[in-house]
Amino acid sequence: NAGVTQTPKFQVLKTGQSMTLQCAQDMNHNSMYWYRQDPGMGLRLIYYSASEGTTDKGEVPNGYNVSRLNKREFSLRLESAAPSQTSVYFCASDRLGDSPLHFGNGTRLTVT
Amino acid sequence: GEDVEQSLFLSVREGDSSVINCTYTDSSSTYLYWYKQEPGAGLQLLTYIFSNMDMKQDQRLTVLLNKKDKHLSLRIADTQTGDSAIYFCAESMDTGRRALTFGSGTRLQVQP
Repeated sequence: NAGVTQTPKFQVLKTGQSMTLQCAQDMNHNSMYWYRQDPGMGLRLIYYSASEGTTDKGEVPNGYNVSRLNKREFSLRLESAAPSQTSVYFCASDRLGDSPLHFGNGTRLTVT
Repeated sequence: GEDVEQSLFLSVREGDSSVINCTYTDSSSTYLYWYKQEPGAGLQLLTYIFSNMDMKQDQRLTVLLNKKDKHLSLRIADTQTGDSAIYFCAESMDTGRRALTFGSGTRLQVQP
């Protein structure tokens, strides 16, 4: 039972490069989320998908796009990476309603 | 608006009790959560409390909720070195956008 799996674990990009962060969950959860974690700022919501086929902006969506590929997978794309996007990115999922979030182990991204 | 605040750091001796505090601003919160993050890992749900409760106990953990003051606390009895981590409180709201709002985290350091 893997839970929430994120790839890659680490990535270094140059300014202007693009990349996609992958996330998959095997718990048959309806909702999936992308957060970023920066020192002293907790977790901030980038985008979320309440159910397959829907996506919505969170608190800090600028510079990102998402795709809910199917019920299991929710990817986050940086089209043109900027140093301000250096962060640790967490994917999470939950069933629906007031159920707890399950987190992946994160992707540490550095943009130089 | 949504705002969850925590103190940044707490240091205790092994065997003592730890109390981590959190304040929130949104009175429509339905659930309040405590998550634990160990170095290099994602967030792990510790416990949660429904907003119509004022206390919940789970082994060494006690959660107290004061709705009037919008204050949440997590007490860890007999704190162990393995409890050293960052602790996040989070709230969920009964709104159209279902996503948690996190505090900035409290780093708990347990001294042997």
